[in-house]
Amino acid sequence: GQQVMQIPQYQHVQEGEDFTTYCNSSTTLSNIQWYKQRPGGHPVFLIQLVKSGEVKKQKRLTFQFGEAKKNSSLHITATQTTDVGTYFCAGNGGAQKLVFGQGTRLTINP
Amino acid sequence: GAGVSQSPRYKVAKRGQDVALRCDPISGHVSLFWYQQALGQGPEFLTYFQNEAQLDKSGLPSDRFFAERPEGSVSTLKIQRTQQEDSAVYLCASSPTDGGSYEQYFGPGTRLTVT
Repeated sequence: GQQVMQIPQYQHVQEGEDFTTYCNSSTTLSNIQWYKQRPGGHPVFLIQLVKSGEVKKQKRLTFQFGEAKKNSSLHITATQTTDVGTYFCAGNGGAQKLVFGQGTRLTINP
Repeated sequence: GAGVSQSPRYKVAKRGQDVALRCDPISGHVSLFWYQQALGQGPEFLTYFQNEAQLDKSGLPSDRFFAERPEGSVSTLKIQRTQQEDSAVYLCASSPTDGGSYEQYFGPGTRLTVT
């Protein structure tokens, strides 16, 4: 079945440094979503990418969808303490369900 | 408006007991999903409803797990004869449209501990 791998599993940065997490699917995706989960919280939707090669920006966050629609990345510029949490990608292979990666847990040294 | 709510927020069950977890989706949302999230892992799909129809239950780990949404709104996830490996956070999510092509709104989850 469809698998979604995410790396790294953990990332610790100094406040102000950049952060990137990568997501790879075993199959071609119709779309990919990104969610953020704060410690003790629940996943909160960030964005959806649909088109091959798509790039979307939200303030300091940049999301990319690969040309083959099998990989994606999230880049945060100049991290702030409010960015702390676990970032999940979730792939939709065309069926009804999302397959989540295992997440990248971001911690920040202020 | 209110978001997705789940109850109870915490549940401790002795091994072998049955449990029922409730999800109140956002009013009017067509799709409802159940996920299981183990510690340090991403949510794993359990089952999907479009209105009252259970269209996908491929993620239910065993026949001890059963979900229903009889009137197309509130949903209940039931686990019979709980085992220790069932300990996890159970997340419910709803979406205004059908399927996985729209953002999902997650509830706070029910943390189930089986002793």
